[in-house]
Amino acid sequence: EVQLLESGGSLVQPGGSLRLSCVVSPTIFKTFPLTWVRQAPGKGLEWVSTISISGLSTYSADSVKGRFTISRDDSKNTIYLQMNNLRAEDTAVYYCMQVPLWGQGTLVTVSS
Amino acid sequence: DIQMTQSPSTLSASVGDRVTITCRASQTVVKWLAWHQQKPGKAPRVLIFESSSLESGVPSRFSGRGSGTEFTLTINGLQTDDVGTYYCHQYNAYPWTFGQGTRVDI
Repeated sequence: EVQLLESGGSLVQPGGSLRLSCVVSPTIFKTFPLTWVRQAPGKGLEWVSTISISGLSTYSADSVKGRFTISRDDSKNTIYLQMNNLRAEDTAVYYCMQVPLWGQGTLVTVSS
Repeated sequence: DIQMTQSPSTLSASVGDRVTITCRASQTVVKWLAWHQQKPGKAPRVLIFESSSLESGVPSRFSGRGSGTEFTLTINGLQTDDVGTYYCHQYNAYPWTFGQGTRVDI
């Protein structure tokens, strides 16, 4: 059974915007904070952003602060990552995760 | 930020071997440490969370130990299916941080 399903990745030009979505199984949606983690090609895992169960608290890596915003829609069991002013170094597979589960990832490529 | 340091960076062993990967945190993470396995071209999956809790469906040859700043992942009886990269990850404090990874080969 798929519990975390990401979508929204694509090719975008530098300076552009993109919104990623992650649909979460209702049975686990409110059990633990939800997180975005990314992995650049050939590199390790990098934490991006986390949103609390209530949605009242969010946390983001310095590398994306001011550009990326995490949010949640409890009526749709979905979290989002709004990514603005994208840079080449944001190119990565973006994973939605909720300890101890991972989604399958969605690829974001920032290139002209 | 809490730095997570894994050793070794690469590991080559034989089928049936017992292998251990170590992860050290620059400050205490209490028990809030997970181990992730990533096979080439695949999404990561959690093997161990809360330092020593085996995730559902993970073979019992995997085990985790430790608390505070020192943690280990042990594979008792390495299998060909275990080839991949292993990451430790602290989720005690933001920013969450990952180790640099340990590549395991047969």
